[in-house]
Amino acid sequence: DSGVTQTPKHLITATGQRVTLRCSPRSGDLSVYWYQQSLDQGLQFLIHYYNGEERAKGNILERFSAQQFPDLHSELNLSSLELGDSALYFCASSVTRLSPLHFGNGTRLTVT
Amino acid sequence: TQLLEQSPQFLSIQEGENLTVYCNSSSVFSSLQWYRQEPGEGPVLLVTVVTGGEVKKLKRLTFQFGDARKDSSLHITAAQPGDTGLYLCAGAGSAGGTSYGKLTFGQGTILTVHP
Repeated sequence: DSGVTQTPKHLITATGQRVTLRCSPRSGDLSVYWYQQSLDQGLQFLIHYYNGEERAKGNILERFSAQQFPDLHSELNLSSLELGDSALYFCASSVTRLSPLHFGNGTRLTVT
Repeated sequence: TQLLEQSPQFLSIQEGENLTVYCNSSSVFSSLQWYRQEPGEGPVLLVTVVTGGEVKKLKRLTFQFGDARKDSSLHITAAQPGDTGLYLCAGAGSAGGTSYGKLTFGQGTILTVHP
């Protein structure tokens, strides 16, 4: 158990809809990272938050947004969903930006 | 754009055999990490290598970082069925150092070890 909690585990929704994925980092970890894992693209970095502030962006679509709240949990919002957004979405946390990552078990999103 | 090419993509071997997984890039990374991922779970960090030429051992697993910090290998000795899983290499930042968390992942190697 990595200590990183992601909810929900599975999400099935229709094209055009909006969903919110939630991540609770390990106790004491200030950094939260979001990754997307798909069969064709592999694991791709989306975005990094540190203590509530956005620190780095990767290949994150404009339809996607994230935030980290004062209690350090984070949410990834995906809107105007397309079939191609179906993937596993992982959250990872670390104490600092130079510390190893601890990944949650992911949210499997299926867009139909 | 930094890319990591991992090979082979699939590896199916018998228990007791040795294997090597390669991770190559044209870019220099400040560090390289190896992860193992099992179905339904997130990747779990096995090792981080930071120095060019560095070799780290974790029981039957040996990890090496290339001298130029562009490539890495994972060697497993006497593989066991419990080693079955998806192995991922991931590079952090470019030369000069940056966040360990903003990783560029290889496509992964699916290893199956048959009893």
